[in-house]
Amino acid sequence: QKEVEQDPGPLSVPEGAIVSLNCTYSNSAFQYFMWYRQYSRKGPELLMYTYSSGNKEDGRFTAQVDKSSKYISLFIRDSQPSDSATYLCAMAMDTGRRALTFGSGTRLQVQP
Amino acid sequence: SAVISQKPSRDICQRGTSLTIQCQVDSQVTMMFWYRQQPGQSLTLIATANQGSEATYESGFVIDKFPISRPNLTFSTLTVSNMSPEDSSIYLCSVDLIVANYGYTFGSGTRLTVV
Repeated sequence: QKEVEQDPGPLSVPEGAIVSLNCTYSNSAFQYFMWYRQYSRKGPELLMYTYSSGNKEDGRFTAQVDKSSKYISLFIRDSQPSDSATYLCAMAMDTGRRALTFGSGTRLQVQP
Repeated sequence: SAVISQKPSRDICQRGTSLTIQCQVDSQVTMMFWYRQQPGQSLTLIATANQGSEATYESGFVIDKFPISRPNLTFSTLTVSNMSPEDSSIYLCSVDLIVANYGYTFGSGTRLTVV
């Protein structure tokens, strides 16, 4: 079993839809949770960063962390064609070298 | 947050040769990380580079194949040695900015094709 599981998609939605992206994880020591967006042939771009449980909002993006369920989500409101990309969740522990463990990525396509 | 410059951005190399990738950060950081992203795959950690000590390699990656240097707190290099087509990937460096509450930031990556 992978430490971080993420539905690879692809996920296709119409413009303006609310998108929900999710990851589950097995390592209860993870404390840092991140979402990255990666356009084709580009490096990952940090979208949201959360420490421990709770919600965080930034514009059209909302990140949620439920540590009791080992489940994290990213919501995108009013999705735009420019949101079409691969979204990667990533996590790290609060001890030692704190390297990131990534999900496999979800490919999102927003149709105009 | 930190700005990471990585070069070269892309290269096409002959099998059996080596390529050194450079990663420059605009602020001092304790830990730098090197990742590999194979075509259509997610990111896999190669090694962690701390200034003044040997890099720590993940399972499946060895120093002879991926030697790393970390001469100071703003710079690191990764060498891909004796390349084969299986080494064709995107190589990315990342820095830990957790203390600054900026999460982890990545460079734009080096797209390597081995022919």
